[in-house]
Amino acid sequence: EPEVTQTPSHQVTQMGQEVILRCVPISNHLYFYWYRQILGQKVEFLVSFYNNEISEKSEIFDDQFSVERPDGSNFTLKIRSTKLEDSAMYFCASSEQEGLNTEAFFGQGTRLTVV
Amino acid sequence: QKEVEQDPGPLSVPEGAIVSLNCTYSNSAFQYFMWYRQYSRKGPELLMYTYSSGNKEDGRFTAQVDKSSKYISLFIRDSQPSDSATYLCAMIADTGRRALTFGSGTRLQVQP
Repeated sequence: EPEVTQTPSHQVTQMGQEVILRCVPISNHLYFYWYRQILGQKVEFLVSFYNNEISEKSEIFDDQFSVERPDGSNFTLKIRSTKLEDSAMYFCASSEQEGLNTEAFFGQGTRLTVV
Repeated sequence: QKEVEQDPGPLSVPEGAIVSLNCTYSNSAFQYFMWYRQYSRKGPELLMYTYSSGNKEDGRFTAQVDKSSKYISLFIRDSQPSDSATYLCAMIADTGRRALTFGSGTRLQVQP
């Protein structure tokens, strides 16, 4: 069964450092998403990406964040200068279509710990 | 008022019980309603989705949407220990943001 894969499963980084979280979406999917879940809180939307550009982003997705599809298979989330409050589970998701009436498949997540 | 509210639980039931999970929401633009299951340290997995009001059944699971009350439910019949997980409701509006808006999740424990 096709699945979204994320690496690494756990990343520990020092405050102020840059991190890149990687995702391989399902191969025939065209829409890609990043969500995050701070421990004990709800899953929050960060950004959606289609046709090599951001289609939607939330208030959380500020200038510290960027996304990229560097090749035909990977989808990355970069946090330029990590803060303690960036510690969370980061989930990548992909779907064949956008939003409505379609299933978004989630990866297993990357646990980011900023120390 | 939060856009989507969900009782965090935990909810503990004996095996075989009928489980009722609920969410309320405030944004009348929400038209698509989903239920996700999330096991510990895993990503959310879609269980069911419904459009607008009404019921949808899939095996032991039934999703209900009451748009007039802005209230959605997920019922699990004959609950099993393997159903123990966190259940997240999520919604999509037909205008504005098209991304999923999640509830905080209800943790369910089914006791054997």
